[in-house]
Amino acid sequence: AQKVTQAQTEISVVEKEDVTLDCVYETRDTTYYLFWYKQPPSGELVFLIRRNSFDEQNEISGRYSWNFQKSTSSFNFTITASQVVDSAVYFCALSEGRDDKIIFGKGTRLHILP
Amino acid sequence: DSGVTQTPKHLITATGQRVTLRCSPRSGDLSVYWYQQSLDQGLQFLIQYYNGEERAKGNILERFSAQQFPDLHSELNLSSLELGDSALYFCASSAGRISGNTIYFGEGSWLTVV
Repeated sequence: AQKVTQAQTEISVVEKEDVTLDCVYETRDTTYYLFWYKQPPSGELVFLIRRNSFDEQNEISGRYSWNFQKSTSSFNFTITASQVVDSAVYFCALSEGRDDKIIFGKGTRLHILP
Repeated sequence: DSGVTQTPKHLITATGQRVTLRCSPRSGDLSVYWYQQSLDQGLQFLIQYYNGEERAKGNILERFSAQQFPDLHSELNLSSLELGDSALYFCASSAGRISGNTIYFGEGSWLTVV
């Protein structure tokens, strides 16, 4: 069965520090898709990134970067030079190749302190 | 703005009542998903429809039902409401049937059962 674990329930860092959010997943499929979503205090869920299981290249988008490692079943998310606006709950999610429902981890609540 | 529209945004109702949540997917999207977000259960997948047909079912209670209409909008019906049904209900949509689609979420409908 598919499962996503975000062991960090809550993290607080001071503005401009780098922070990494951990995500470990479980799946029996060889084809799967990983996602990160952001939920700011206003409540909406915002898509950040999608990665398929055949593409282990790391990705950088501005201050955001993602490290996908199949060997450790991890898909970690790093925010560089964090800003107060990055404060949100971040969800890692997994979709298996057999269907496209997405299963979410419990989320990591990130506080960026000014 | 994800392009997914949900109504109502907020709803307060009494135990035992029935409510209907409405969702319009992004233009061109054929799949609609419903998720429930509560404090204790996190983001739970309820059900998915593709082009009017049920495609996947998650942890949806028997008191809950959904459907997708020919114009692709969807409704989630919640009946015999209990206090524990208070949650944020998300609708999401994606392009189609193939696996691994990115799903885009609406702003959610906050349901409070009193």
